[in-house]
Amino acid sequence: GESVGLHLPTLSVQEGDNSIINCAYSNSASDYFIWYKQESGKGPQFIIDIRSNMDKRQGQRVTVLLNKTVKHLSLQIAATQPGDSAVYFCAENQGSASKIIFGSGTRLSIRP
Amino acid sequence: NAGVTQTPKFRILKIGQSMTLQCTQDMNHNYMYWYRQDPGMGLKLIYYSVGAGITDKGEVPNGYNVSRSTTEDFPLRLELAAPSQTSVYFCASSYAVNTEAFFGQGTRLTVV
Repeated sequence: GESVGLHLPTLSVQEGDNSIINCAYSNSASDYFIWYKQESGKGPQFIIDIRSNMDKRQGQRVTVLLNKTVKHLSLQIAATQPGDSAVYFCAENQGSASKIIFGSGTRLSIRP
Repeated sequence: NAGVTQTPKFRILKIGQSMTLQCTQDMNHNYMYWYRQDPGMGLKLIYYSVGAGITDKGEVPNGYNVSRSTTEDFPLRLELAAPSQTSVYFCASSYAVNTEAFFGQGTRLTVV
């Protein structure tokens, strides 16, 4: 869930390795989840989404896994590249509330 | 298409001043959102709108107001600026609540 008032955690990964970024969501009624990438000085950019009737979705080099039992979402990035350095946020549509709420982000740092 | 356009990009306000952050989108999206992002932190939803004439509060609405007179525009109003409102403000839009949101480049606001 969200860590109000805390700064973003950092994940450091060797270039070429796979990255796994985790997110816990709070609302069991949420039915749509999105991962965003935010580079320094820019707005968030859509990476991949998943609906609650799925538990896995794959894109190009990215996979999102959804575990509704424990309200957990993860983003896997294969063969991490320097261009993947950014802050990654998960977001959820809280059911019938018609709004997208962001979770706490993770800063991904790539080691050469 | 320009996507989501925010103006201004930067602004310095004195305590007690007021201003309007402009946001316009040319994608004919019904849903629009305002978020704030404090340094090193995640995004907090201020207000959102599901269509022209309809607005609702998000997680942190105090000190802000919005209006949605047209589909394209969703301005955010600060009436009495306070140092706590120093932040980067992002506007976003989406076709539906369970589709990806497109973000503007942000407005960096400093209140001194």
